[in-house]
Amino acid sequence: AQSVAQPEDQVNVAEGNPLTVKCTYSVSGNPYLFWYVQYPNRGLQFLLKYITGDNLVKGSYGFEAEFNKSQTSFHLKKPSALVSDSALYFCAVRDLTDSWGKLQFGAGTQVVVTP
Amino acid sequence: DAGVIQSPRHEVTEMGQEVTLRCKPISGHNSLFWYRQTMMRGLELLIYFNNNVPIDDSGMPEDRFSAKMPNASFSTLKIQPSEPRDSAVYFCASSARRGEGYTFGSGTRLTVV
Repeated sequence: AQSVAQPEDQVNVAEGNPLTVKCTYSVSGNPYLFWYVQYPNRGLQFLLKYITGDNLVKGSYGFEAEFNKSQTSFHLKKPSALVSDSALYFCAVRDLTDSWGKLQFGAGTQVVVTP
Repeated sequence: DAGVIQSPRHEVTEMGQEVTLRCKPISGHNSLFWYRQTMMRGLELLIYFNNNVPIDDSGMPEDRFSAKMPNASFSTLKIQPSEPRDSAVYFCASSARRGEGYTFGSGTRLTVV
């Protein structure tokens, strides 16, 4: 069965420092991987996705993610965090061996960026 | 495109009443998903449709919950009768095709008192 795990409930980082949000996946076929962000009282917003190609994927708001097949990981990164990056981040995987290709979301990681 | 549109944004109702949540997916998207989000359980997939046909409703918690998609541009999620434990934020999302991500609506915050 396909799944993703976000091992950290919360990540705290000071503004200007690098930010990493961890995600590992488990799928039976080739993974399509996604990151979403949810700001307070808002729906989830798409940040970036990995399908094929370069293992380093660049997305919105200066975020990037690195696909690592050997470690089955897809960590989200930002070189210099902003206070406005404080939000809830979700990793998701879509396994195309599943007939309908539905997304499986992780539990979410709360990011708190302090001034 | 206006994105995925959900209504109402907020709903407060008394226990036992019927509640209907509405969703208009992005035009051309052929898959539609209903999610529920709570602090305790996180983001739960309730049901999803492909080309207006329900594909998987295994996430629907009880028979009190029902969902329909009468056409490609409209879906409803109904709770009858509602209970306080149904209080949550309900999201609708749509997707163009397999391999693509979802576009989420802004959600409906339901409070059952």
